[in-house]
Amino acid sequence: GENVEQHPSTLSVQEGDSAVIKCTYSDSASNYFPWYKQELGKGPQLIIDIRSNVGEKKDQRIAVTLNKTAKHFSLHITETQPEDSAVYFCAASLGTGTASKLTFGTGTRLQVTL
Amino acid sequence: DGGITQSPKYLFRKEGQNVTLSCEQNLNHDAMYWYRQDPGQGLRLIYYSQIVNDFQKGDIAEGYSVSREKKESFPLTVTSAQKNPTAFYLCAGRRDRGSGELFFGEGSRLTVL
Repeated sequence: GENVEQHPSTLSVQEGDSAVIKCTYSDSASNYFPWYKQELGKGPQLIIDIRSNVGEKKDQRIAVTLNKTAKHFSLHITETQPEDSAVYFCAASLGTGTASKLTFGTGTRLQVTL
Repeated sequence: DGGITQSPKYLFRKEGQNVTLSCEQNLNHDAMYWYRQDPGQGLRLIYYSQIVNDFQKGDIAEGYSVSREKKESFPLTVTSAQKNPTAFYLCAGRRDRGSGELFFGEGSRLTVL
């Protein structure tokens, strides 16, 4: 089955700096890669996703890049703000239908300091 | 408000007791999922259901049971056979032919004393 590794497990950055979180996946058939943000005491929420037919996707201050050859994808957050502090999870799956099972990484706790 | 509603938010039980966690949705999602979250281990799939009266085991189904008698409801029972039940449990829904996004509830924290 799919295995997703995520690094680093914790990341501390100063407000205004950039943050990068990296994930690798094992199954070359996987073609859907979402990123979720989980705030304290809440459920995860999708912030951005990318499909294997594109190499990069941006949404304001966040971007995701995908390298299919190397089987890794990364989340980039620019101009970090205190409200970006949360746990971030990457995930991978084959397809997006209801039978597609997402495999999650182990999470990165991001702390943005003033 | 539309969403995934989990209850209770916190639950304490004695070892050996079965407990049932509730998950209700009013988003008309076809599929529903139960995940377990432990520190440093990410989210692991327990069970999922694509349609009423049908469900499949996930990666860590042992010691858990589910039912899907209504589209809106997907309760999870943590049985006494689950060796280490203390965890944060998350329910999610997903629309068929949708974007692939999982919509999560706010979770239930179960502590077994």
